Amino acid sequence: AQSVSQHNHHVILSEAASLELGCNYSYGGTVNLFWYVQYPGQHLQLLLKYFSGDPLVKGIKGFEAEFIKSKFSFNLRKPSVQWSDTAEYFCAVNSGDYKLSFGAGTTVTVRA
Amino acid sequence: NAGVTQTPKFRVLKTGQSMTLLCAQDMNHEYMYWYRQDPGMGLRLIHYSVGEGTTAKGEVPDGYNVSRLKKQNFLLGLESAAPSQTSVYFCASNLGGGVGLNEQYFGPGTRLTVT
Repeated sequence: AQSVSQHNHHVILSEAASLELGCNYSYGGTVNLFWYVQYPGQHLQLLLKYFSGDPLVKGIKGFEAEFIKSKFSFNLRKPSVQWSDTAEYFCAVNSGDYKLSFGAGTTVTVRA
Repeated sequence: NAGVTQTPKFRVLKTGQSMTLLCAQDMNHEYMYWYRQDPGMGLRLIHYSVGEGTTAKGEVPDGYNVSRLKKQNFLLGLESAAPSQTSVYFCASNLGGGVGLNEQYFGPGTRLTVT
């Protein structure tokens, strides 16, 4: 079964700091990769996704992620965070079946 | 277009009681999913459906049953609730035709407490 690891459980940052969240997965074949965000009290929303092509993917709200196949990684980045980026972030992987496997999530707290 | 809706939003049950959570989507999506979200464990798939009349077990199916009698609805049942089923439950749907090609859309969640 696919496993997804998110390295950080809780990250605390100041506004304007840069953010990088790690995500590694276990499946060695073709994968589709996603980052979802859950703002406090809300449901999950898609930030960005990778299916094929350019391994650097740009999403909404200034987020981007880089797929490194050799490292089985799909790290999320944002150059300058805002207070409104306070949320929980989930990495998810699809290995060609009907399902997504989610990581445990990283809580990001941005201090104003 | 309401997307994915869930009822109820909150519920408190006593051990041994039963209940049904309803998920509805108005996007004509083929695939539907039920997840539970617990602190530090992310989302875990309970059951899913790839079309009307079909269901399949996910990662943590024990203690739950599901039905997909209509394409737009996916019901999650707890026959005899246990405290271990205290969680936030999310429904999601996907257009289908290869889940990797499409985004999953999530409902707002149901917070269930079993005492």
